[in-house]
Amino acid sequence: GESVGLHLPTLSVQEGDNSIINCAYSNSASDYFIWYKQESGKGPQFIIDIRSNMDKRQGQRVTVLLNKTVKHLSLQIAATQPGDSAVYFCAENISGGGADGLTFGKGTHLIIQP
Amino acid sequence: GAVVSQHPSRVICKSGTSVKIECRSLDFQATTMFWYRQFPKQSLMLMATSNEGSKATYEQGVEKDKFLINHASLTLSTLTVTSAHPEDSSFYICSARRVVNQPQHFGDGTRLSIL
Repeated sequence: GESVGLHLPTLSVQEGDNSIINCAYSNSASDYFIWYKQESGKGPQFIIDIRSNMDKRQGQRVTVLLNKTVKHLSLQIAATQPGDSAVYFCAENISGGGADGLTFGKGTHLIIQP
Repeated sequence: GAVVSQHPSRVICKSGTSVKIECRSLDFQATTMFWYRQFPKQSLMLMATSNEGSKATYEQGVEKDKFLINHASLTLSTLTVTSAHPEDSSFYICSARRVVNQPQHFGDGTRLSIL
C-alpha cells in the first residue's frame, strides 16, 4: 500500500535500553520484508530481512519478528547506542513478482537519550 | 558489502533546467536498479524500475517523459529530470540489487533543489 505521512512517529529511548519499532503492512501477498535505517541526508542502510516462511530472525543486536496473521513486523534493537539514532523504515515486496520495487512503511524516528 | 554510488549528491538549478543523476553499483552487477523519491519527513516512494537493456517500468502517476531513465550497462543507471520545476525539488534515491530475492542496497541520494 501507499506510505505517505505528514510527520514521522518518534520513539525516544534511554541509551542502553532496548527499543522496539513496529510496522504494519497491508499487502497479504508480500513475502519478503526488510528493515532499513536512514540517517539524515543519506540513503537507507540495510539492517535485516526476513522471509514469510519465518517468524523470527536475529542479527547483531537486532531481531525482526513477523506476524503474518495480523500483518505486523517489528524490529528490536538491544542495548541501544547513540549511533542508533535515525529513522527506521520497514519495506515489503512480493519476491518474484513482475514489479518488485519495495513498498516502504511510514518510518519511525528513533531518538537515543544519553 | 554491496556499494551503490550516486552522483551528484546535491544540485541547485533554475527552473526549466534538465538534471541528470547517475547511479552506479561499484562492486557488483545490477540487472535491475530502482529509483525512489522522498519528500521531507516522508517515506520513500518508488518511481520506476530500471532494467538493463530495456525500457524502464514506471509507477502509476510518474511521467515517463518527465523522468527519463537509461540503464545502459549492468553497473549504471541514470535518471534525467527534464525541464525541472520547483515542485520537482526532492531527495532522489537509487537502489540496486545483485539478484532477485536479495535486499536492495541504496545510494546516498541526490538533493535536488529547483529555484
